[in-house]
Amino acid sequence: GAVVSQHPSWVICKSGTSVKIECRSLDFQATTMFWYRQFPKQSLMLMATSNEGSKATYEQGVEKDKFLINHASLTLSTLTVTSAHPEDSSFYICSAPYDRGREDTQYFGPGTRLTVL
Amino acid sequence: KNQVEQSPQSLIILEGKNCTLQCNYTVSPFSNLRWYKQDTGRGPVSLTIMTFSENTKSNGRYTATLDADTKQSSLHITASQLSDSASYICVVSEGSYIPTFGRGTSLIVHP
Repeated sequence: GAVVSQHPSWVICKSGTSVKIECRSLDFQATTMFWYRQFPKQSLMLMATSNEGSKATYEQGVEKDKFLINHASLTLSTLTVTSAHPEDSSFYICSAPYDRGREDTQYFGPGTRLTVL
Repeated sequence: KNQVEQSPQSLIILEGKNCTLQCNYTVSPFSNLRWYKQDTGRGPVSLTIMTFSENTKSNGRYTATLDADTKQSSLHITASQLSDSASYICVVSEGSYIPTFGRGTSLIVHP
C-alpha cells in the first residue's frame, strides 16, 4: 500500500532556531501534500496545502513566513518552522492523497514531535 | 461552517467486548467519510472510506456505517483487543482533498 514517511520523528530545539521537517511519499507520486498540526488531545488542524511546482496554500491564521513549505518534487515536501518558539511545540503530520481508483484516500505520515525549549 | 462531531469523547471497555463510536457531520456537499485509527504519537491510519452510495464497509473487526440522509456514521468494533486502544477519528470531505476532522474518540481497552 501507499506509504508516507516523515523525518525526523522527533526534534528538540532552542527557541529562535529553525527546524525542517521532511515528508516523503515512498511508493507513489503526490502533486499535493498536506501539513497538519495537532496539539495534545486535539484533532488535526490543517495548516497548509503543499503544491508541487507552485506556492503552498495556507489556511487562515497560519503565518506563511513562519511556516515555510517547499514541494521540491513529486515525492518530497518540506515544512520549515522558522524562529521557533515554545508555542510552536506540537505534533506535525503530513499527508498525501492516493487515488485507488474509485476511492481516493489520504495516507498520513507517522508525524514529527517538535519540542521548542 | 463544516463540522464533524464525534461521541463519546472517551470510552473504556473490557477486552473482548464490542463498542460503537458515533460521528455526526454537517459537511456539504458530501464526498466521502473516512474513519482513521491514531495510536498515541503516530500518524492516523485509514480504516474505512465510504462514499455517498455506500451504507456499510468492513475492515476485519471494524465495521463502519453511513446514513447520508441523517449525516451520521458509526464505527463498530467487534471483540475488542488491547491493541484497539487508540484515538478514532472521523474525517469528512466535501469533494476536494481538504477534509474536516472530528476531534476523535479516545478508546481504552482494559484486560
